[in-house]
Amino acid sequence: RKEVEQDPGPFNVPEGATVAFNCTYSNSASQSFFWYRQDCRKEPKLLMSVYSSGNEDGRFTAQLNRASQYISLLIRDSKLSDSATYLCVVKQGGATNKLIFGTGTLLAVQP
Amino acid sequence: DVKVTQSSRYLVKRTGEKVFLECVQDMDHENMFWYRQDPGLGLRLIYFSYDVKMKEKGDIPEGYSVSREKKERFSLILESASTNQTSMYLCASSFDYVTGELFFGEGSRLTVL
Repeated sequence: RKEVEQDPGPFNVPEGATVAFNCTYSNSASQSFFWYRQDCRKEPKLLMSVYSSGNEDGRFTAQLNRASQYISLLIRDSKLSDSATYLCVVKQGGATNKLIFGTGTLLAVQP
Repeated sequence: DVKVTQSSRYLVKRTGEKVFLECVQDMDHENMFWYRQDPGLGLRLIYFSYDVKMKEKGDIPEGYSVSREKKERFSLILESASTNQTSMYLCASSFDYVTGELFFGEGSRLTVL
């Protein structure tokens, strides 16, 4: 089982739609969680951290469910500019303190 | 703005050649990283460094080495390139590894023939 698994995608949605991505992680000792965004042929950039209580940044909402070991990203009112690959990232705790990247979910917002 | 600059965007090398990938960051970050990104496998950590002249193996260090002689510069070396090292290589830096925010360079796409 992969340490971090994401929805396979691609997600093709019309402008204005609401779309949600899920990500599961296998290590229950994982401490921190993040969503990165990667545009086509560009480098990944931090989109938002994911806090235990859930957090929102404009049209983006991130949630964490520690009991079920998954995190989610909800995008409301999708824009063409949201088209990108969204990477789920999990920071392991303990001695390793490593960031583990998921393989990403491709979102294509259609006009 | 943090800037991480990788020396070459595209390289084509032959099997057995020595390859240097250079990375420079301008924000005085302590931590620097080299990843490779392959379809279906995501980003995998090759090596990282948390201080000058310090280096730690990541998940896939075989066939690679690194050098960090100055704080701002972190080099990835392929001593003898092989075709399975054809990939996108991404350098990153961070001030505080705890927060999880990495700043990536634009990447170097290496093709080994």
